[in-house]
Amino acid sequence: GNSVTQMEGPVTLSEEAFLTINCTYTATGYPSLFWYVQYPGEGLQLLLKATKADDKGSNKGFEATYRKETTSFHLEKGSVQVSDSAVYFCALPSGAGSYQLTFGKGTKLSVIP
Amino acid sequence: EAGVVQSPRYKIIEKKQPVAFWCNPISGHNTLYWYRQNLGQGPELLIRYENEEAVDDSQLPKDRFSAERLKGVDSTLKIQPAELGDSAVYLCASSGGGQRYNEQFFGPGTRLTVL
Repeated sequence: GNSVTQMEGPVTLSEEAFLTINCTYTATGYPSLFWYVQYPGEGLQLLLKATKADDKGSNKGFEATYRKETTSFHLEKGSVQVSDSAVYFCALPSGAGSYQLTFGKGTKLSVIP
Repeated sequence: EAGVVQSPRYKIIEKKQPVAFWCNPISGHNTLYWYRQNLGQGPELLIRYENEEAVDDSQLPKDRFSAERLKGVDSTLKIQPAELGDSAVYLCASSGGGQRYNEQFFGPGTRLTVL
């Protein structure tokens, strides 16, 4: 079945540093790909998505490009802020009908002033 | 637009006790999901509803877990009896139909601690 492998954390960066969180996937066909973010004490929120190869999803300064050649969907941000401290999950549809989301294990990001 | 509502936010019980979690999805969302998130892991699907029908419960431990969505809106997930290994965050999510059926909206979760 479909699966994702996500860079393990935790990741600690200084404010304004460049962020990359790696995500690679295994899938049948070309499913949509997602990044979710979970702030402390909250549920998951959709951060961005890409629905086909070469699509770039972007939101709140974060970007990720759907690359079928390398089966990757790495999350990037040019200048992180303290408020970006959270756990980030890569995900893709799986299961019968692709209604289920399969998540990576999550990468905890801590940004220090 | 109100988001997915869950209650309670936290629950502490002793093992062998029953517990129930409640979820109210986003208005108009026919699909409802229950996920379990163990510490340091991503969420894993327990059950999916389309309206009031449980269309995928293959990963629900049916010996102790049950769920219902009687009128196709609110849902309840129950564990009876709870075990120490059930300690986790239980997340409810919902999604609409059409082209955005994969976009799931999550509630804040219920953090269960079994002592």
